[in-house]
Amino acid sequence: SQQGEEDPQALSIQEGENATMNCSYKTSINNLQWYRQNSGRGLVHLILIRSNEREKHSGRLRVTLDTSKKSSSLLITASRAADTASYFCATDATQAGTALIFGKGTTLSVSS
Amino acid sequence: SQTIHQWPATLVQPVGSPLSLECTVEGTSNPNLYWYRQAAGRGLQLLFYSVGIGQISSEVPQNLSASRPQDRQFILSSKKLLLSDSGFYLCAWAPGTGINYGYTFGSGTRLTVV
Repeated sequence: SQQGEEDPQALSIQEGENATMNCSYKTSINNLQWYRQNSGRGLVHLILIRSNEREKHSGRLRVTLDTSKKSSSLLITASRAADTASYFCATDATQAGTALIFGKGTTLSVSS
Repeated sequence: SQTIHQWPATLVQPVGSPLSLECTVEGTSNPNLYWYRQAAGRGLQLLFYSVGIGQISSEVPQNLSASRPQDRQFILSSKKLLLSDSGFYLCAWAPGTGINYGYTFGSGTRLTVV
């Protein structure tokens, strides 16, 4: 079942620019997570924000969470060519025993 | 440190043939284990997850099955592959002690059914 939905589906920017990706979800969550996937590789966990948190930072990453709107955003500042990848949001629903449900992802291309 | 191993990296199988993909985790005990499938250019579809030996939850009824014969081993199987089983299969683990943990993914298996 689909829970998270990223927007936009694809994003192309120049090196040094900021990249913003959004995620909307449908049900109550324990946490929301962002992952990165380089082409043909496994996913790498970037950041986790709990339902009682509103903003979190990790290096050049900034994540916000608005539970009233059931939405989150991932901001990558000062993008580099190496940031080119697909980015997925995933939600951990509050029901016990469930697993992360992923969105379809945003494909980010950073050109130098 | 914890590591996750997934093999093989690529696999080409004929329709109707059996499948066995293996995933093992090292450096932790009682992990939660997960199998996801990713179609080309698409998001991840949860197939199975396990919170303990012999405990398998299936999210999507289909041509696949999963087993957890040991604490840190998770196997994805099929008796007869279909063309629609092609995709990128990813195994992942997370601590089984509670919520609010990120998943660690394996490097994936690219399966092509011909």
